Amino acid sequence: DVKVTQSSRYLVKRTGEKVFLECVQDMDHENMFWYRQDPGLGLRLIYFSYDVKMKEKGDIPEGYSVSREKKERFSLILESASTNQTSMYLCASSFARQGLNTEAFFGQGTRLTVV
Amino acid sequence: GNSVTQMEGPVTLSEEAFLTINCTYTATGYPSLFWYVQYPGEGLQLLLKATKADDKGSNKGFEATYRKETTSFHLEKGSVQVSDSAVYFCALKGAGKSTFGDGTTLTVKP
Repeated sequence: DVKVTQSSRYLVKRTGEKVFLECVQDMDHENMFWYRQDPGLGLRLIYFSYDVKMKEKGDIPEGYSVSREKKERFSLILESASTNQTSMYLCASSFARQGLNTEAFFGQGTRLTVV
Repeated sequence: GNSVTQMEGPVTLSEEAFLTINCTYTATGYPSLFWYVQYPGEGLQLLLKATKADDKGSNKGFEATYRKETTSFHLEKGSVQVSDSAVYFCALKGAGKSTFGDGTTLTVKP
């Protein structure tokens, strides 16, 4: 069974802390994504990666960075957490197939609260 | 750019009622279309997909047909159950990039 695993279901962090959200996939997918989900705003893409050590900004990258040192792992970093980063964070991965638009597989989500 | 517009919610139905959630899209080229479902406290999971015009995706009693002429991919189910209560997302993927609708919350009451 395919799996995308996020390291935490729930996190509570203090304003100004550096926060790491980890995501691991076991499907040998090339593509990995980080989204945040907020009521009324749907899913918004923060960053994505098409390959190891490669990253691209999504629609809302400000205040975030990412790291992809290994193919199976994609980390989201909040450099200095703020209360407006309280949200549900979703990691996803997919195959990259020339000419095909494959579906994404999602992790279970991390609900982050910044106090 | 690409965009997805889906029916605003929330939608509340009685068990065994007929469900339609509308989804229309704007895209260049030939995107694939998807419906994802998110149960409370969980991530999204693929419900069904269609990769070209006139394809019908189906799963767990849900169906959607890729209509290029009306740029639509409406989700339907003939008889909903309480266990179908969830948030439903319409999405398209073109040139490797995904675009999601805002989600429609469905509540099914016994």
